[in-house]
Amino acid sequence: GAVVSQHPSWVICKSGTSVKIECRSLDFQATTMFWYRQFPKQSLMLMATSNEGSKATYEQGVEKDKFLINHASLTLSTLTVTSAHPEDSSFYICSARTFSNSPLHFGNGTRLTVT
Amino acid sequence: GESVGLHLPTLSVQEGDNSIINCAYSNSASDYFIWYKQESGKGPQFIIDIRSNMDKRQGQRVTVLLNKTVKHLSLQIAATQPGDSAVYFCAENLRTDKLIFGTGTRLQVFP
Repeated sequence: GAVVSQHPSWVICKSGTSVKIECRSLDFQATTMFWYRQFPKQSLMLMATSNEGSKATYEQGVEKDKFLINHASLTLSTLTVTSAHPEDSSFYICSARTFSNSPLHFGNGTRLTVT
Repeated sequence: GESVGLHLPTLSVQEGDNSIINCAYSNSASDYFIWYKQESGKGPQFIIDIRSNMDKRQGQRVTVLLNKTVKHLSLQIAATQPGDSAVYFCAENLRTDKLIFGTGTRLQVFP
């Protein structure tokens, strides 16, 4: 149980375009999902908390207008990287938990490469 | 700011030996800790967790130790196998229910 699915697993886009990443909780409902970013050989950095039916909350230094988050249902959150630039190339990973103060379950990540 | 850190970036062990991965955390208010394993190109996989009212918890071949006095967490893997090769992260659950990751340790298992 507690499976989180992420799509696509990888994407290559041109500089200036936008990319949407989907995160789904397959067998549970998630009022809250978390988006992380991971650069090569580094740790996971929390970007934002996605809240179903309300605005996402962003960590310090993360531009909310660049990383648009939509959490329209209890099983789907999307992250859109707008006007992508090469420095946005990274591994983006979403996660969700079944209840508060329990382990986060992670998707398998999306490798974004901006050329 | 608050952070969770690791002492060793890379740990090399021989197959069959025990592995110990360490982690230091700084937020004394955190009451829940998790160890994750991440293989190349994949998302983190849950290994074991521990709450602050415990100092030890055991799973299959893994043990987590928590020392709140010195804010230290460790993961012990018994009889390490080649399939254990990965990057291991400790994570700290803040009171805001956010999970903050440590810097990670790469475990390399040699035959």
